Amino acid sequence: DAGITQSPRHKVTETGTPVTLRCHQTENHRYMYWYRQDPGHGLRLIHYSYGVKDTDKGEVSDGYSVSRSKTEDFLLTLESATSSQTSVYFCAISVQGATGYTFGSGTRLTVV
Amino acid sequence: AQSVTQLDSQVPVFEEAPVELRCNYSSSVSVYLFWYVQYPNQGLQLLLKYLSGSTLVESINGFEAEFNKSQTSFHLRKPSVHISDTAEYFCATGGSQGNLIFGKGTKLSVKP
Repeated sequence: DAGITQSPRHKVTETGTPVTLRCHQTENHRYMYWYRQDPGHGLRLIHYSYGVKDTDKGEVSDGYSVSRSKTEDFLLTLESATSSQTSVYFCAISVQGATGYTFGSGTRLTVV
Repeated sequence: AQSVTQLDSQVPVFEEAPVELRCNYSSSVSVYLFWYVQYPNQGLQLLLKYLSGSTLVESINGFEAEFNKSQTSFHLRKPSVHISDTAEYFCATGGSQGNLIFGKGTKLSVKP
């Protein structure tokens, strides 16, 4: 979607390696979110941010960390990737909580 | 706590037939409800939303949903589906962290 980009789009990594996914926005929105999508589970919130250096945990935060040093960038890091973290990761931005979401195109991560 | 239940994981239907995708919600606070659509290998797009006011909401491509407080439902309907409606549909509600809480999704498969 215009205004939000995720990188990389696809990644294959080995178990135990660190991985960082990037979400970049040009909309200057305050709120940013990371979700993971798995078959049969829908989308589940990993972490979210409500401003620069202000982040909090979501439903499935174990094994993940985030950072937001600039309004436009929200990074998701898997410190030591495991096979259970194979998933599609979506970033979302919002100007007003749940009512104004825009989703990125997703990053497909495979941990082998 | 808020939650959303999508009652059908898969719905096969023939082209030009009507369809209903079912969604029930649980919430003890003000209710925001959404339907998102995900076409194959793409991100999520907002289809329609209920925030307040009229209980019947419509999308630009012929879908509609009705907020029913007594039955805690927000079912999605279309009177005549097209092949191009084949996608996965997610019902969602607003969470206390400004996030979206998703159902597990319903895959709509439209057959010729």
